[in-house]
Order: sequence, then C-alpha cells, then structure tokens
Amino acid sequence: GQNIDQPTEMTATEGAIVQINCTYQTSGFNGLFWYQQHAGEAPTFLSYNVLDGLEEKGRFSSFLSRSKGYSYLLLKELQMKDSASYLCAASDGNNRLAFGKGNQVVVIP
Amino acid sequence: DGGITQSPKYLFRKEGQNVTLSCEQNLNHDAMYWYRQDPGQGLRLIYYSQIVNDFQKGDIAEGYSVSREKKESFPLTVTSAQKNPTAFYLCASSSPGQGTDTQYFGPGTRLTVL
Repeated sequence: GQNIDQPTEMTATEGAIVQINCTYQTSGFNGLFWYQQHAGEAPTFLSYNVLDGLEEKGRFSSFLSRSKGYSYLLLKELQMKDSASYLCAASDGNNRLAFGKGNQVVVIP
Repeated sequence: DGGITQSPKYLFRKEGQNVTLSCEQNLNHDAMYWYRQDPGQGLRLIYYSQIVNDFQKGDIAEGYSVSREKKESFPLTVTSAQKNPTAFYLCASSSPGQGTDTQYFGPGTRLTVL
C-alpha cells in the first residue's frame, strides 16, 4: 500500500523561507516528486529526487532521505505568486504516482 | 506547441447520464493517466495506460471506463454507475522509456452532475 503524509496548511511572509515536509511509505519506490498547484489549475512539475540529498533549482530546493522515507521542499525568497498547494508524490517503480493531499501555502505581505 | 489538452474545461450533466471527457497529447508520450481530485484531497488514480490498446485500473476505477486506441488520445467515460461523479478530473502523460516517469498534466475538466 501507499501512504503519503503532508501537513495541510501554513502561512508565511513575503521574502521568508518555508519548508514543506512529506513522509511516505510505499511498497516500491523510484523517486519523489513535488508539484505546485494553484487553485482551480493543474499541477505543474517542480522537482524530482531519486537519490539521497539536496537538489537545488533556483528559489526551490528539494531534499530526500530514502532510509527515513522523508522529503522536504524548501521555498526561498517567498513571493505572493508562491501561494499555492504543494503536492508530494512517490513513484512506486511501475510508473504510478501516489499523491499526498497537498500543503496549502499562504503568502502574506 | 507540445502539450496536453482536455476539453471541455467545465461540464454539466444530469444524474444518470454517461459523459466522456477528452484528453489529447502531442508530446509523443507512451503513458497516459486519469486522476480525480476532490476538495481538500490528493489526486486519486482512476485508470492508466502504458501503451496503445492496453490499460489498467487504478485505485478508484469503479464507475469509469477508458479506451486507448491511439497513442495521442485517452478518453475517460464517467458512467451512471459512478456514485459521486462531481469532481475535478485531470489527465497526465509521461514517457517512462526515457528514464523518468515525470507526469505532465493537462488543464483539467471540472464535472458537475446535477
């Protein structure tokens, strides 16, 4: 079975740094994805980690620890447009993704 | 431009009617997926297809049907057997043969059954 767990909501100030955590338990594992989803829109791909460690991509970084079943997404220099839901998804190795419920980030001035 | 299209964006149907949601991609991806999203919930997999003329049930396939006659197209039919069909439906595609199964999503269809 698959179990993906994320906190539901957080609020942060423009310009700040926010860390969004995700824990997962899957029967097979072939990587961890992060997607951004604005209200009423489709998810857009942010990052993919398959090996342990930190992947940096501009203002966004993603970390994976396979032994702990843990990942986080780090958003730096927050902007108002970063207000969105951030979805964590684990790949089971058979081209299927199991998604968490998403973490709603609200950026305030 | 390459991408995934879904139509229509909003769809209204009466209870008891079947409805077919369109999904087309020109990314030359082998795999295609259908998800359903309800408010405050994660995406749940309905059906997926890894190759033409083949598809598998996902976690919540009951009340839905699909076909995959062409690589570019993966339509989803919501039948009258689906107990609670009102939801946001998302189609995605990926190219696992290229070493990554990153899924890319279409814009979605919001279905409301009255």
